[in-house]
Amino acid sequence: AQKITQTQPGMFVQEKEAVTLDCTYDTSDPSYGLFWYKQPSSGEMIFLIYQGSYDQQNATEGRYSLNFQKARKSANLVISASQLGDSAMYFCAMRAASSGGSYIPTFGRGTSLIVHP
Amino acid sequence: KAGVTQTPRYLIKTRGQQVTLSCSPISGHRSVSWYQQTPGQGLQFLFEYFSETQRNKGNFPGRFSGRQFSNSRSEMNVSTLELGDSALYLCASRKGGGYVNTEAFFGQGTRLTVV
Repeated sequence: AQKITQTQPGMFVQEKEAVTLDCTYDTSDPSYGLFWYKQPSSGEMIFLIYQGSYDQQNATEGRYSLNFQKARKSANLVISASQLGDSAMYFCAMRAASSGGSYIPTFGRGTSLIVHP
Repeated sequence: KAGVTQTPRYLIKTRGQQVTLSCSPISGHRSVSWYQQTPGQGLQFLFEYFSETQRNKGNFPGRFSGRQFSNSRSEMNVSTLELGDSALYLCASRKGGGYVNTEAFFGQGTRLTVV
């Protein structure tokens, strides 16, 4: 079964510091995509970064980078130079084929990040 | 360009009624997915449509159904509402039909309350 695990329900970070949000995944499909989304209190999910299973290099998008360790099935999000506006829920997600052949997006339970001034 | 638009934003229904939610994807996007988000179960995938065809379906009862029109707009219907259907329903659109490599853009959601 496909699964995304985010073990940190809540994280606190000081403004301008870096923070790592953990994500581990499980799938038997060799071809999959990993995504991180941010959900502010307004409710809208905002796409942050994508990593494909065959990508050789870690993905980066501005202050966001994805620390992809395929052998450990780990896809941690690193936010550099945190800003107050980064306070939100962060979700790790995966798209991969299930045993039945359909592609069911799977989301973790999320990590609540609070940035202190 | 305009993002994903979901209507209505808020809805209150009585148990046993049915409800229809609407989603207009980003122009040019042909894939639309629906999700249910609750504090207890988190974010769960309902179904995905691509070019008017349901392509993937999550593990929800048949009371939950959807459809997609030729202009890619999508509707989701829930019949015989139960209290447990109270949730934030999110719609997401994707540009291509790729299965794993295309990010989804989400709407702001419809918050459904069943009383």
